[in-house]
Amino acid sequence: ETGVTQSPTHLIKTRGQQVTLRCSSQSGHNTVSWYQQALGQGPQFIFQYYREEENGRGNFPPRFSGLQFPNYSSELNVNALELDDSALYLCASSLSGGTLNEQFFGPGTRLTVL
Amino acid sequence: GQNIDQPTEMTATEGAIVQINCTYQTSGFNGLFWYQQHAGEAPTFLSYNVLDGLEEKGRFSSFLSRSKGYSYLLLKELQMKDSASYLCAVRSYTGGFKTIFGAGTRLFVKA
Repeated sequence: ETGVTQSPTHLIKTRGQQVTLRCSSQSGHNTVSWYQQALGQGPQFIFQYYREEENGRGNFPPRFSGLQFPNYSSELNVNALELDDSALYLCASSLSGGTLNEQFFGPGTRLTVL
Repeated sequence: GQNIDQPTEMTATEGAIVQINCTYQTSGFNGLFWYQQHAGEAPTFLSYNVLDGLEEKGRFSSFLSRSKGYSYLLLKELQMKDSASYLCAVRSYTGGFKTIFGAGTRLFVKA
Protein backbone atom coordinates (compact mmCIF):
# COMPACT_ATOMS: atom_id res chain seq x y z
CA GLU A 1 0.00 0.00 0.00
CA THR A 2 1.60 3.27 -1.12
CA GLY A 3 1.25 6.41 0.95
CA VAL A 4 0.36 9.94 -0.10
CA THR A 5 2.92 11.53 -2.39
CA GLN A 6 3.29 15.13 -3.53
CA SER A 7 5.30 16.82 -6.22
CA PRO A 8 7.36 18.82 -6.49
CA THR A 9 9.08 18.89 -3.11
CA HIS A 10 10.19 22.49 -3.46
CA LEU A 11 9.26 25.22 -5.89
CA ILE A 12 10.30 28.82 -6.41
CA LYS A 13 8.06 31.21 -8.36
CA THR A 14 7.81 34.94 -8.83
CA ARG A 15 4.89 37.17 -8.00
CA GLY A 16 2.12 37.05 -10.59
CA GLN A 17 3.00 33.60 -11.91
CA GLN A 18 0.83 30.53 -11.77
CA VAL A 19 1.66 27.21 -10.10
CA THR A 20 0.30 23.67 -10.13
CA LEU A 21 0.97 21.30 -7.26
CA ARG A 22 0.22 17.59 -7.48
CA CYS A 23 -0.90 14.95 -5.03
CA SER A 24 -1.29 11.21 -5.38
CA SER A 25 -3.70 9.84 -2.80
CA GLN A 26 -3.22 6.69 -0.78
CA SER A 27 -4.53 3.65 -2.64
CA GLY A 28 -8.30 3.27 -2.28
CA HIS A 29 -8.89 6.77 -0.91
CA ASN A 30 -11.57 8.84 -2.64
CA THR A 31 -11.32 12.10 -0.72
CA VAL A 32 -8.52 14.65 -0.78
CA SER A 33 -8.07 17.86 1.15
CA TRP A 34 -5.54 20.60 0.56
CA TYR A 35 -4.02 22.80 3.24
CA GLN A 36 -1.67 25.76 3.41
CA GLN A 37 0.68 25.82 6.37
CA ALA A 38 2.76 28.87 7.27
CA LEU A 39 5.75 28.46 9.55
CA GLY A 40 4.72 28.00 13.16
CA GLN A 41 1.02 27.82 12.33
CA GLY A 42 -1.50 25.07 11.95
CA PRO A 43 -2.63 23.99 8.49
CA GLN A 44 -5.28 26.23 6.90
CA PHE A 45 -8.01 24.38 5.02
CA ILE A 46 -8.19 25.31 1.33
CA PHE A 47 -10.73 22.81 -0.05
CA GLN A 48 -11.80 19.20 -0.15
CA TYR A 49 -12.70 16.97 -3.11
CA TYR A 50 -14.78 13.82 -3.02
CA ARG A 51 -15.15 11.70 -6.14
CA GLU A 52 -13.98 14.55 -8.39
CA GLU A 53 -16.37 17.15 -6.92
CA GLU A 54 -15.47 19.94 -4.51
CA ASN A 55 -17.50 19.36 -1.34
CA GLY A 56 -15.93 21.86 1.02
CA ARG A 57 -13.98 25.09 0.82
CA GLY A 58 -12.16 27.31 3.29
CA ASN A 59 -11.63 31.06 3.17
CA PHE A 60 -9.32 31.19 0.19
CA PRO A 61 -9.89 33.39 -2.90
CA PRO A 62 -10.99 31.91 -6.24
CA ARG A 63 -7.43 32.07 -7.58
CA PHE A 64 -6.93 28.88 -5.54
CA SER A 65 -8.56 26.11 -7.52
CA GLY A 66 -8.36 22.37 -7.68
CA LEU A 67 -9.07 19.21 -9.58
CA GLN A 68 -9.48 15.60 -8.60
CA PHE A 69 -9.07 12.96 -11.29
CA PRO A 70 -10.81 9.57 -11.74
CA ASN A 71 -7.79 7.82 -10.25
CA TYR A 72 -8.18 10.15 -7.22
CA SER A 73 -4.94 12.00 -7.80
CA SER A 74 -5.42 15.75 -7.52
CA GLU A 75 -4.01 19.17 -8.31
CA LEU A 76 -3.93 22.50 -6.56
CA ASN A 77 -3.64 25.48 -8.89
CA VAL A 78 -2.79 28.95 -7.69
CA ASN A 79 -3.01 31.90 -10.09
CA ALA A 80 -1.53 35.39 -9.76
CA LEU A 81 0.85 34.35 -7.02
CA GLU A 82 1.41 36.75 -4.13
CA LEU A 83 4.29 36.91 -1.69
CA ASP A 84 2.00 35.71 1.10
CA ASP A 85 1.36 32.48 -0.79
CA SER A 86 4.80 31.30 0.30
CA ALA A 87 4.09 28.32 2.54
CA LEU A 88 4.06 24.55 2.84
CA TYR A 89 1.17 23.04 0.89
CA LEU A 90 -0.12 19.75 2.21
CA CYS A 91 -2.58 17.34 0.76
CA ALA A 92 -4.32 14.68 2.82
CA SER A 93 -6.33 11.71 1.59
CA SER A 94 -9.00 9.70 3.30
CA LEU A 95 -11.71 7.19 2.50
CA SER A 96 -15.36 8.17 1.97
CA GLY A 97 -17.01 11.55 1.91
CA GLY A 98 -16.03 12.91 5.27
CA THR A 99 -17.70 10.37 7.51
CA LEU A 100 -14.55 8.44 8.27
CA ASN A 101 -11.80 9.66 10.38
CA GLU A 102 -8.20 9.31 9.48
CA GLN A 103 -6.52 11.63 7.02
CA PHE A 104 -3.11 10.64 5.72
CA PHE A 105 -0.92 13.61 4.89
CA GLY A 106 1.65 13.82 2.15
CA PRO A 107 5.09 15.29 2.83
CA GLY A 108 4.12 18.65 1.34
CA THR A 109 5.37 21.04 -1.29
CA ARG A 110 7.35 24.04 -0.07
CA LEU A 111 6.42 27.02 -2.27
CA THR A 112 8.49 30.20 -2.21
CA VAL A 113 7.18 33.27 -4.02
CA LEU A 114 9.75 36.00 -4.73
CA GLY B 1 -17.34 31.84 12.82
CA GLN B 2 -15.02 29.04 13.78
CA ASN B 3 -12.27 29.31 16.35
CA ILE B 4 -9.87 26.88 18.00
CA ASP B 5 -7.70 27.67 21.00
CA GLN B 6 -4.89 25.60 22.43
CA PRO B 7 -1.83 26.53 24.50
CA THR B 8 1.20 27.63 22.54
CA GLU B 9 3.81 25.63 24.44
CA MET B 10 4.08 23.07 27.21
CA THR B 11 7.00 21.37 28.91
CA ALA B 12 6.89 18.02 30.67
CA THR B 13 9.30 15.43 32.01
CA GLU B 14 10.09 12.04 30.52
CA GLY B 15 7.86 9.36 32.04
CA ALA B 16 5.23 11.85 33.18
CA ILE B 17 1.67 12.50 31.96
CA VAL B 18 0.68 15.65 30.10
CA GLN B 19 -2.74 16.97 29.12
CA ILE B 20 -3.12 19.33 26.16
CA ASN B 21 -6.40 21.22 26.10
CA CYS B 22 -8.34 22.48 23.13
CA THR B 23 -11.45 24.66 23.08
CA TYR B 24 -13.43 25.36 19.96
CA GLN B 25 -16.40 27.22 18.57
CA THR B 26 -18.11 25.93 15.47
CA SER B 27 -21.46 25.22 13.91
CA GLY B 28 -22.25 21.92 12.23
CA PHE B 29 -19.75 19.98 14.35
CA ASN B 30 -18.69 16.79 12.56
CA GLY B 31 -15.73 15.50 14.57
CA LEU B 32 -12.55 16.51 16.38
CA PHE B 33 -9.08 15.28 15.51
CA TRP B 34 -5.67 15.34 17.11
CA TYR B 35 -2.52 15.21 15.04
CA GLN B 36 1.16 15.09 15.90
CA GLN B 37 3.62 17.04 13.81
CA HIS B 38 7.39 16.85 14.17
CA ALA B 39 9.38 19.78 12.85
CA GLY B 40 9.77 19.63 9.10
CA GLU B 41 7.37 16.71 8.73
CA ALA B 42 3.71 16.26 7.80
CA PRO B 43 1.06 15.81 10.50
CA THR B 44 0.22 12.26 11.55
CA PHE B 45 -3.18 11.21 12.85
CA LEU B 46 -3.50 10.43 16.55
CA SER B 47 -7.19 10.31 17.42
CA TYR B 48 -10.75 11.13 16.45
CA ASN B 49 -13.76 11.95 18.63
CA VAL B 50 -17.29 12.61 17.42
CA LEU B 51 -19.25 11.55 20.53
CA ASP B 52 -18.69 12.74 24.09
CA GLY B 53 -16.28 10.73 26.15
CA LEU B 54 -12.82 9.28 26.19
CA GLU B 55 -11.10 7.41 23.38
CA GLU B 56 -7.99 5.48 24.39
CA LYS B 57 -5.28 4.35 22.04
CA GLY B 58 -2.16 3.05 23.71
CA ARG B 59 -0.28 5.88 25.46
CA PHE B 60 -2.62 8.45 23.92
CA SER B 61 -6.19 9.27 24.97
CA SER B 62 -8.52 11.97 23.75
CA PHE B 63 -11.60 13.36 25.42
CA LEU B 64 -14.49 15.35 23.99
CA SER B 65 -17.32 17.38 25.48
CA ARG B 66 -19.45 18.78 22.68
CA SER B 67 -21.64 20.85 25.00
CA LYS B 68 -18.57 22.63 26.36
CA GLY B 69 -16.70 22.84 23.07
CA TYR B 70 -13.75 21.21 24.79
CA SER B 71 -11.29 18.43 24.15
CA TYR B 72 -8.03 17.26 25.58
CA LEU B 73 -5.25 14.97 24.48
CA LEU B 74 -3.62 12.95 27.25
CA LEU B 75 -0.15 11.55 26.73
CA LYS B 76 1.11 9.00 29.26
CA GLU B 77 4.60 7.65 29.94
CA LEU B 78 6.15 10.50 28.00
CA GLN B 79 9.13 9.74 25.83
CA MET B 80 11.67 12.14 24.35
CA LYS B 81 10.32 11.34 20.87
CA ASP B 82 6.96 12.82 21.93
CA SER B 83 8.52 16.28 21.63
CA ALA B 84 6.49 17.72 18.76
CA SER B 85 3.59 20.01 17.94
CA TYR B 86 0.12 18.69 18.70
CA LEU B 87 -2.65 20.00 16.49
CA CYS B 88 -6.32 20.06 17.41
CA ALA B 89 -8.64 20.14 14.38
CA VAL B 90 -12.41 20.39 14.10
CA ARG B 91 -14.41 19.24 11.11
CA SER B 92 -17.76 20.85 10.41
CA TYR B 93 -20.48 20.52 7.84
CA THR B 94 -22.61 23.53 6.88
CA GLY B 95 -23.46 22.80 3.28
CA GLY B 96 -19.87 21.71 2.72
CA PHE B 97 -17.09 20.19 4.77
CA LYS B 98 -14.41 22.24 6.50
CA THR B 99 -11.56 21.11 8.73
CA ILE B 100 -10.12 23.90 10.84
CA PHE B 101 -6.85 23.43 12.67
CA GLY B 102 -5.62 25.19 15.77
CA ALA B 103 -2.16 26.77 15.74
CA GLY B 104 -0.74 23.77 17.62
CA THR B 105 0.82 23.18 21.00
CA ARG B 106 4.58 22.69 21.03
CA LEU B 107 5.44 20.05 23.62
CA PHE B 108 8.96 19.83 24.97
CA VAL B 109 9.83 16.63 26.83
CA LYS B 110 12.88 16.94 29.06
CA ALA B 111 14.93 14.22 30.70
